[in-house]
Amino acid sequence: GAGVSQSPSNKVTEKGKDVELRCDPISGHTALYWYRQSLGQGLEFLIYFQGNSAPDKSGLPSDRFSAERTGGSVSTLTIQRTQQEDSAVYLCASSPLAGSYNEQFFGPGTRLTVL
Amino acid sequence: GDSVTQMEGPVTLSEEAFLTINCTYTATGYPSLFWYVQYPGEGLQLLLKATKADDKGSNKGFEATYRKETTSFHLEKGSVQVSDSAVYFCAFHGSSNTGKLIFGQGTTLQVKP
Repeated sequence: GAGVSQSPSNKVTEKGKDVELRCDPISGHTALYWYRQSLGQGLEFLIYFQGNSAPDKSGLPSDRFSAERTGGSVSTLTIQRTQQEDSAVYLCASSPLAGSYNEQFFGPGTRLTVL
Repeated sequence: GDSVTQMEGPVTLSEEAFLTINCTYTATGYPSLFWYVQYPGEGLQLLLKATKADDKGSNKGFEATYRKETTSFHLEKGSVQVSDSAVYFCAFHGSSNTGKLIFGQGTTLQVKP
C-alpha cells in the first residue's frame, strides 16, 4: 500500500518568504508527527497531531512555525518569514495510534533551502 | 531531560567486519527503544526495536539488547555488507505519552568492498 508522502521533495526559497510543506499520512493513521533533520542538530521533534488536534507543539522552534491537519489526514507545516537557519529536511511520520508501542512510518522528507 | 547519545561517525569498515554502534539514553522510566536506518536517498525506516529490559531486537542480521542497568541499546552486526552503508539513528519514545521520538545524532556507516 501507499506509504507516507510529502511534497515538495525540494524547496528553495528566499529569506523572508513563507513556505508550506505538505504531508499525506498512511490512510487510517490517526497520529501524525513532524520532525526536522538539520546539520548539527540531528533529528528534532516539532509537533504531534492526534486526529486534527495538536496536543504537543513543544518542538516548534518559534512562532513563525505553525501546522494544521484537516480531515484527520493531510497536514501542512507552514514557515513564515523564513530564515537561513530554517534550512533542513522536514520529515513527516504517521502511526496507527499514538503511544509507545506503535511504529512510526516516515515519509521521504522535504529538503528546504533558504537562501 | 530526555536525550540520546550515539557514537560519532563516520564509521568506515571493510566488508565482513564486525560492527558496533554505541547508544546510551537518558529517560524517565523504561521507554521502548529503536534503531532507525536511512539509506542514501531514502526515508527513515525502522530497523529494530525492543520494548522492555533485556529484550533483544533483531532484523537483517543486526541486533541490539535493551540494557536497563547501563541505559544502553548498542547496535551490532557480525558481518557487514556494502549494502549496509547508511545513517543509523538510535531513538526512544519521550516521556510524554504522545509517542514522539527522541533521536540521537545519527552515525554514518560506510562499508568498503
